[in-house]
Amino acid sequence: EIVLTQSPGTLSLSPGERATLSCRASQSVNSNYLAWFQQKPGQAPRLLIYGASSRATGIPDRFSGSGSGTDFTLTISRLEPEDFAVYYCQQYGSTPKIFTFGPGTKVDIK
Amino acid sequence: EVRLVQSGAEVKKPGESLKISCKGSGYTFATSWIGWVRQMPGKGLEWMGIIYPGDSDTRYSPSFRGQVTISADKSITTTYLQWSSLKASDTAVYYCAKSFGAYFDYWGQGTLVTVSS
Repeated sequence: EIVLTQSPGTLSLSPGERATLSCRASQSVNSNYLAWFQQKPGQAPRLLIYGASSRATGIPDRFSGSGSGTDFTLTISRLEPEDFAVYYCQQYGSTPKIFTFGPGTKVDIK
Repeated sequence: EVRLVQSGAEVKKPGESLKISCKGSGYTFATSWIGWVRQMPGKGLEWMGIIYPGDSDTRYSPSFRGQVTISADKSITTTYLQWSSLKASDTAVYYCAKSFGAYFDYWGQGTLVTVSS
């Protein structure tokens, strides 16, 4: 079973700054099967990035994803006030069919 | 417009049974896998299982197999998550989410389940 580790646990930044979030897998992950979600308090998660680097519908281009193998990154180029939230990476395994979430990174206001 | 609408909050006692629902609309219900995700208070997301409503093929996370039952009624485009005997540790928000291949593209609003004596 693949385990996802996210770092840092909390990222304290100011609006306008760049955020770099890391997701590391215990084994190599198919890049097509790596996604990122944003969750704000009291809300359901929202899909941001799928296939490691493709933005979901309606996601601003300040969000970008990259990486391959065991190391993946979510970058927010310039933080907007609405971007302060928790971010989760997620991977999918097809045999058996299984979904795994990372523990999350909280981006909060410095 | 794709929508997943979940049933309302529940307050139950330990040992009671419960079935919560998730009604899908705006897409072809029978041919899209629907997953369930748990979020305990102040914690992260945990995948519980997933069902293909077309034939009720169901897969469970090893952590949740035997603890919950996932089902679907495609005639009313609804999936269900049920417990036969709740525990206090089942207190959480439960989300249903539509799967598009390897990821979840649409989510329900969540159902808060509180189990307390």
